[in-house]
Amino acid sequence: SQKIEQNSEALNIQEGKTATLTCNYTNYSPAYLQWYRQDPGRGPVFLLLIRENEKEKRKERLKVTFDTTLKQSLFHITASQPADSATYLCALGTRGNNRLAFGKGNQVVVIP
Amino acid sequence: EPEVTQTPSHQVTQMGQEVILRCVPISNHLYFYWYRQILGQKVEFLVSFYNNEISEKSEIFDDQFSVERPDGSNFTLKIRSTKLEDSAMYFCASRFSQGGYQPQHFGDGTRLSIL
Repeated sequence: SQKIEQNSEALNIQEGKTATLTCNYTNYSPAYLQWYRQDPGRGPVFLLLIRENEKEKRKERLKVTFDTTLKQSLFHITASQPADSATYLCALGTRGNNRLAFGKGNQVVVIP
Repeated sequence: EPEVTQTPSHQVTQMGQEVILRCVPISNHLYFYWYRQILGQKVEFLVSFYNNEISEKSEIFDDQFSVERPDGSNFTLKIRSTKLEDSAMYFCASRFSQGGYQPQHFGDGTRLSIL
């Protein structure tokens, strides 16, 4: 069956350090992958999109990698700040259909 | 920055009643979506809509659900006869185009509580 897995344990990290989150998938052939941020009671906020033929994407303090051989994406927040505390969602899109398939999300807590 | 807006933010309804959730997508977007998120669970796709018709729907989107774009700006989700298990956050999303894999942008959702 198709699965998108993100770590269920919250990541507690000291301010200024780099947070690294993992998204693993099985039985998918994604054409692209997106990362979203979600705060409690709010909708997902788009952060980055990476295509299957791209290895890495950056935006300010954020970096995403995509390895279609390992079936894995890594999401990095460098120089983390308390305002980065949120749940981060991985979402896969496939060619030929419109839906996004989400992982359950990984909570990040940045400690001042 | 343009955003997707949803109303109401919270809807409380008796089981068996009909509800309509409303969304105003970003104005130049062409593709529209509904997702739901049951408390503590992942975001799940319900339906996508393009050119005034459903382009894809999930197994969750049964005959009790319908979508409509009644005018040039609103996009609605109707649940005809609500069940307890319909309690969830419902998110509307929109996307500019399919080409180039444009991201979907989400609203802040409607919390639907069925009593």
